Amino acid sequence: DIQMTQSPSSVSASVGDRVTITCRASQGISSWLAWYQQKPGKAPKLLIYAASSLQSGVPSRFSGSGSGTDFTLTISSLQPEDFATYYCQQANSFPVTFGGGTKVEIK
Amino acid sequence: EVQLVESGGGLVQPGRSLRLSCAASGFTFDDYAMHWVRQAPGKGLEWVSGISWNSGSIGYADSVKGRFTISRDNAKNSLYLQMNSLRAEDTALYYCAKDARIAARHPSGPIDYWGQGTLVTVSS
Repeated sequence: DIQMTQSPSSVSASVGDRVTITCRASQGISSWLAWYQQKPGKAPKLLIYAASSLQSGVPSRFSGSGSGTDFTLTISSLQPEDFATYYCQQANSFPVTFGGGTKVEIK
Repeated sequence: EVQLVESGGGLVQPGRSLRLSCAASGFTFDDYAMHWVRQAPGKGLEWVSGISWNSGSIGYADSVKGRFTISRDNAKNSLYLQMNSLRAEDTALYYCAKDARIAARHPSGPIDYWGQGTLVTVSS
């Protein structure tokens, strides 16, 4: 199985900060990577697919990059509604696997 | 509007069975792979199982392989998860979810729509 390792597990940041979350796959997955945002009590929301493609309706302050084993989600200017937990997911092969999550908290 | 409505969750004793259902609407159900993803209380997301649009490709997490069975009825726009030999560690909120790719050969995501989940509690 492909293991997905996210870092950091949590980050404290202020409104307006640039936040970067990384995700590392235990083996190459090309660009088969997605990022999700989850707020407490809500279902996850797709932000980025194919490593760098922005899902329709997602603000442009979110961006993704990377290929192979190393990937990054960047929030260019953190907004109050962005405080949430973020997960990466590899879509390269069975079984599908998620990263452990990164909680973005208010500083 | 895409809607995914799960049902069938509840409290069940260890070793017993439960069948989850998901009613889908707002999209052409038989064009898309579907998934079950679970989340234990206070924990992260865990993919449970996925099924391609024509049931030709099915996958399971190692943690449920041999105990859970995914299926779909395209005529009824419905997805199912038969869960047998339930364990305490299966306690979670179970989400029904839609694959984003049309006619994907394998159900591996990404996932663009999620239901609100149905809670399964395994306890004596």
